[in-house]
Amino acid sequence: GNSVTQMEGPVTLSEEAFLTINCTYTATGYPSLFWYVQYPGEGLQLLLKATKADDKGSNKGFEATYRKETTSFHLEKGSVQVSDSAVYFCALSGKTGRRALTFGSGTRLQVQP
Amino acid sequence: ETGVTQSPTHLIKTRGQQVTLRCSSQSGHNTVSWYQQALGQGPQFIFQYYREEENGRGNFPPRFSGLQFPNYSSELNVNALELDDSALYLCASSPPGTAFGYTFGSGTRLTVV
Repeated sequence: GNSVTQMEGPVTLSEEAFLTINCTYTATGYPSLFWYVQYPGEGLQLLLKATKADDKGSNKGFEATYRKETTSFHLEKGSVQVSDSAVYFCALSGKTGRRALTFGSGTRLQVQP
Repeated sequence: ETGVTQSPTHLIKTRGQQVTLRCSSQSGHNTVSWYQQALGQGPQFIFQYYREEENGRGNFPPRFSGLQFPNYSSELNVNALELDDSALYLCASSPPGTAFGYTFGSGTRLTVV
């Protein structure tokens, strides 16, 4: 079945540091890949997505590239801000039939001033 | 677009009771999914509805059931509540097509005592 593995947190960085959150997946076929962000007390917000190999999703300075050969979709940002402090979830869904999302366990990011 | 709205935001129930959670999806989003997010974990897929019919279910018992209505609203019903049902319940909707991510509501926090 489908599964997503994320690096465990919390990840603690100083403001303006470089961020990488690792994500690898196991899936049948070629799923769509997503990063969602969850701020305290809120639901999930779609951060970025990629639907095929070598696609790069980007939004708000965050980027992730769909790497089929390594089954990875690592999240990166060149300079984090305090406002980026949240929990980040990597997820995948199939492209046909049931398109349920399979999530990783989440990585908490704490950015200190 | 009006987003995805869930009600109530918080709920406390007693073990053995029944609960109904509600979701109002974005207009045109004919796919709705429900997820259970336990504290500190990633969301787990409960089930999905497409055009008012269930078309996928995760590893949840039959006491979890749902309905989707023509006006893009939906319900999650849980019978015979157990303490482990305490979680954040998230509704997510998606437009037709396979290349889009889901839009999530802010969730209903259910506490079973």
